Amino acid sequence: GNSVTQMEGPVTLSEEAFLTINCTYTATGYPSLFWYVQYPGEGLQLLLKATKADDKGSNKGFEATYRKETTSFHLEKGSVQVSDSAVYFCALKLHGSGNTGKLIFGQGTTLQVKP
Amino acid sequence: NAGVTQTPKFQVLKTGQSMTLQCAQDMNHNSMYWYRQDPGMGLRLIYYSASEGTTDKGEVPNGYNVSRLNKREFSLRLESAAPSQTSVYFCASSPSQGRNTEAFFGQGTRLTVV
Repeated sequence: GNSVTQMEGPVTLSEEAFLTINCTYTATGYPSLFWYVQYPGEGLQLLLKATKADDKGSNKGFEATYRKETTSFHLEKGSVQVSDSAVYFCALKLHGSGNTGKLIFGQGTTLQVKP
Repeated sequence: NAGVTQTPKFQVLKTGQSMTLQCAQDMNHNSMYWYRQDPGMGLRLIYYSASEGTTDKGEVPNGYNVSRLNKREFSLRLESAAPSQTSVYFCASSPSQGRNTEAFFGQGTRLTVV
């Protein structure tokens, strides 16, 4: 079936540390890939996206590259800040007959950044 | 801009009671979704509506019904609430099913069934 697997959290880092959150997926067809972020008490908001193989999505210092050969979309940031503390969700969007527009999420990874 | 608005924000129900969660979007989006969020399980799709007049089951539809009342509104109904339905519910909308289009989320409804 279609699924997204993220590394388990919580991830605790010191400010200015390097961040990687792993995400791999299984999908029928050729999905689009997304990272969403959820700050405490809020809904999800889009962080970045990639729609085809080798595309790199980037926003607010975060980056992720669509790797079709390894079915991965790992999130990275070179230097995290306390304000980056949140829950991060990897997601795929299915396309094609019967699945149009369906968004499937991973279980989320909690990031805590300490000063 | 209101975006996606969900009501209520919090609700406590007794087992067996019914209720409807309301969702409205003012972005003229075609697609709308209902998810539930549970610890360690991420967001799971309950139902979605690719366009006005259509609805389809997602991953966990049992115990729920939906209505796409018009293009703006997509409601989720619990006919007989059970403790297993204690969760945070999110409504989302998207302009289309296109590869490049993102989903926009509401603030969530925290539901407790006792």
